[in-house]
Amino acid sequence: GAGVSQSPSNKVTEKGKDVELRCDPISGHTALYWYRQSLGQGLEFLIYFQGNSAPDKSGLPSDRFSAERTGGSVSTLTIQRTQQEDSAVYLCASSPFVAGGGRNEQFFGPGTRLTVL
Amino acid sequence: KQEVTQIPAALSVPEGENLVLNCSFTDSAIYNLQWFRQDPGKGLTSLLLIQSSQREQTSGRLNASLDKSSGRSTLYIAASQPGDSATYLCAVPSGGGADGLTFGKGTHLIIQP
Repeated sequence: GAGVSQSPSNKVTEKGKDVELRCDPISGHTALYWYRQSLGQGLEFLIYFQGNSAPDKSGLPSDRFSAERTGGSVSTLTIQRTQQEDSAVYLCASSPFVAGGGRNEQFFGPGTRLTVL
Repeated sequence: KQEVTQIPAALSVPEGENLVLNCSFTDSAIYNLQWFRQDPGKGLTSLLLIQSSQREQTSGRLNASLDKSSGRSTLYIAASQPGDSATYLCAVPSGGGADGLTFGKGTHLIIQP
C-alpha cells in the first residue's frame, strides 16, 4: 500500500524566493502534520490538520510560513521570502483519527530537503 | 510545555548484544508514546506505539515499555544486528491525542559487525 509521499525530494532556492512543498497522506487518514528537522534543533512540530482545518498552528515559526489542505487530502506548505535559516528537512506525517487519541499512530513521508542559498 | 529526553545520545555495541534505550518525558498526561527509527537521509519509520493504558508493546526483537506515572519509556532491542544501526527517536503528543508530537533528540545506535 502507498505510504505518505512528499515532493519535491530536494529543493534548492535563492534567499527571498517563495517555495511550495507538497504532501500526499495515506488514503483515508484524516489527520496530517508538518514537521521540520534541522541540525541544531532536532524535530519540531509546525502545524496539524484535521480534515481541511488547522486547529493547531502553534509551531509555525513566522508569518512567512503557511499551509493549506484541500479535499481532506493533499497539503501544501508554503514558505515566503525564504531565509537561510529555513534550510532544513521538512517532514509530513498522517494518521487515522481515532476518538480518544490513544491509537493515533503517525506515519511519516521521506521528507523534502530545502536548501536556501 | 512537554519535554522529551533520550539517553544515551549515542551507543556503539558489538553485534548480538541486547540493549536498552531510554526516554523520559516531563508531562505524564499523555495519550500514547511512539518509537521511531531514522536511517541517514531518510524519513521516520514507526516502530511501536504504546497507548497510555498499556505497559508494553512487542514487535519482533523490539519491546517497548511505558511507565506513565514516572514519565519513562524504554526500548529493548534483543540480539542486535548491524541492520539495527540507525537513530532511534521517541515522541509523545504535545497535547491531546491527535496533536503534533514532541520528539527527543534521539539515540544514535551503531551495531558493530
